[in-house]
Amino acid sequence: DAGITQSPRHKVTETGTPVTLRCHQTENHRYMYWYRQDPGHGLRLIHYSYGVKDTDKGEVSDGYSVSRSKTEDFLLTLESATSSQTSVYFCAISEGQSETQYFGPGTRLLVL
Amino acid sequence: KQEVTQIPAALSVPEGENLVLNCSFTDSAIYNLQWFRQDPGKGLTSLLLIQSSQREQTSGRLNASLDKSSGRSTLYIAASQPGDSATYLCAVLPLTDSWGKLQFGAGTQVVVTP
Repeated sequence: DAGITQSPRHKVTETGTPVTLRCHQTENHRYMYWYRQDPGHGLRLIHYSYGVKDTDKGEVSDGYSVSRSKTEDFLLTLESATSSQTSVYFCAISEGQSETQYFGPGTRLLVL
Repeated sequence: KQEVTQIPAALSVPEGENLVLNCSFTDSAIYNLQWFRQDPGKGLTSLLLIQSSQREQTSGRLNASLDKSSGRSTLYIAASQPGDSATYLCAVLPLTDSWGKLQFGAGTQVVVTP
C-alpha cells in the first residue's frame, strides 16, 4: 500500500469553526489531491497540488483552502465550517499527472 | 462536461459466478480510465488502469476492457468470492485536463453470497 496517512481520522466540530485536515505521504510523489465523498454525488475533487507551493482549484473548492509547504504534506482548511461540509474527505497522491492515484484512508468530518 | 455512469448501482451474485461491471462515459477524449475498489469505511484501492491506447488490462482474476469510441469500459471478475464484496468505482482522466482531475462514477455495490 502507498504510504499515505490522514489526520485526524474522525472529527466533530461546530458550525463556524476553522478545521484543518492533514495528508502525509512517504512516497515522494509530486501530485496530491483532496476529494470529498458524499452519497448521491460520488467523489469530487476539491483542490490539488502539482508541487510544493503549487496548488489549484478543483470542482468544489468554495469554502476550502489548501497549502503545501513540503512535498510530503498537503493541508486542507475549512475556514469556517458549515453543515454542508459534513463529508468524508480523501487525500490521494500520484507520481505523474496521468498515473494511478493512490488514496488515503479518509477523514470523517461532522459539522454540527 | 464529462459524465461517468455506472449501471447497475447494486449487484448480488452467488459465489463462483463471474462478475461483469459496466462503466460508460460521455466524452471519448480521455487519457486513461481507472477502476477502484472501496470497502465500507475505507479508502479506494486501485485495481487497474487502462491507457486510452489500450483495449484491455488484466491482473489475476480481473480483466478490464476499454472501447473508447463507444465510451464504455467493462470490469470482469472471474469466479467471484465473498471477499470480492465491495463497491467498485470507475474514473476517467479527461484529455482536456492535464492535472489528474479524475471524473468518478457513482459506483456499483457488489455482494457475493456464499
